[in-house]
Amino acid sequence: EVQLVQSGAEVKKPGESLKISCKGSGYIFTSYWIGWVRQMPGKGLEWMGIIYPGDSDTRYSPSFQGQVTISVDKSISTAYLQWSSLKASDTAIYYCARRTGITGIAGDWFDPWGQGTLVTVSS
Amino acid sequence: DIQMTQSPSSLSASVGDRVTITCRAGQSISSYLNWYQQKPGKAPKLLIYSASGLQSGVPSRFSGSGSGTDFTLTISSLHPEDFATYYCQQSYSAPQTFGQGTKVGIK
Repeated sequence: EVQLVQSGAEVKKPGESLKISCKGSGYIFTSYWIGWVRQMPGKGLEWMGIIYPGDSDTRYSPSFQGQVTISVDKSISTAYLQWSSLKASDTAIYYCARRTGITGIAGDWFDPWGQGTLVTVSS
Repeated sequence: DIQMTQSPSSLSASVGDRVTITCRAGQSISSYLNWYQQKPGKAPKLLIYSASGLQSGVPSRFSGSGSGTDFTLTISSLHPEDFATYYCQQSYSAPQTFGQGTKVGIK
């Protein structure tokens, strides 16, 4: 079974750093892009960026470029999302998801998704 | 960024109703359009890929159509477990933006 398991909920203070994780299993981790999606409280889904574990090629949404860092450790099939200095506005659920496609079919999509990591930033 | 606009933002329907949600892209995205379902407290789940492809395991009452800029998600007969929020997403170009969501509630 293809599965993404994310690290647990975090409570942090403004200015603190944080790194959350997403561990893949049940497939060849280095062959599929992993994406990160933000969902602020009561709001919709926002595409943050993606990383290809095979060579660490990373793409960011302009909205998140410079605000977060996406990385990967392929030796343990784990992708990461990190902040160097959290703000209250970073409070959200963060999802990782595997980018998947089918040869001959237009586009790609996220499937499956991790269970989400709730990050709360409050003084 | 390609803007994705869903309508309506919310709707109320009864079990057995036919429900249609539309998604409009700010530019042509061919068939690069996906639909997800999200229930409260849960991660999104893929329903439809590439505008009309039904994801494995998803009931056949869900269907998608459209190309270019206008797309629809149809639930042919609403079941109790279908009350949720639905999102479209374009995969034509990065960032692969989502619509704002459509919440399907109980009438």
